[in-house]
Amino acid sequence: QKEVEQDPGPLSVPEGAIVSLNCTYSNSAFQYFMWYRQYSRKGPELLMYTYSSGNKEDGRFTAQVDKSSKYISLFIRDSQPSDSATYLCALGGGSARQLTFGSGTQLTVLP
Amino acid sequence: ETGVTQSPTHLIKTRGQQVTLRCSSQSGHNTVSWYQQALGQGPQFIFQYYREEENGRGNFPPRFSGLQFPNYSSELNVNALELDDSALYLCASSTTEQGVAFFGQGTRLTVV
Repeated sequence: QKEVEQDPGPLSVPEGAIVSLNCTYSNSAFQYFMWYRQYSRKGPELLMYTYSSGNKEDGRFTAQVDKSSKYISLFIRDSQPSDSATYLCALGGGSARQLTFGSGTQLTVLP
Repeated sequence: ETGVTQSPTHLIKTRGQQVTLRCSSQSGHNTVSWYQQALGQGPQFIFQYYREEENGRGNFPPRFSGLQFPNYSSELNVNALELDDSALYLCASSTTEQGVAFFGQGTRLTVV
């Protein structure tokens, strides 16, 4: 079993839809949670990060963490074609501060 | 604020050769990590450097090695290249106070 599981998609939605992206994890040692957006052939771009359970909102993006269920989500409201990318969840913890990534979900927002 | 920069952007090498990839950390960041991302996969942690010392290593063989310099820039060296080493190599910088990592654009390595 992988430490972090992420639905690979692909996911295709119409413009304006609400998108829900999810990851589950097995290691309780993870202490901080991030979402990255990666356009084709580019490096990952940090979207959201949080250190605790609950919701964190930034514009059209909401990150949700449920440590008791070991489940994290990213919601995108009013999705735009420019949101089309691969979304990666990343979890960290411990002294080395290495990140463990999900496999990524490929999202396409259709105009 | 200068972001993380990597060079070169693309590279083609022959199996058995050696390669060096370079990374300049974001201003104010003292920790650098390297990741390997195969096509269609999430990045895999190779190793991390802090104060010029290796500070954690993933499941990669010793032919993957690195350096961090006093100005916090870094190199990733890979010896005896194999076809499976073909991937996007990502450098990320961070501080010891925060776990948040900021990535460069990556170096796409193709081994033929």
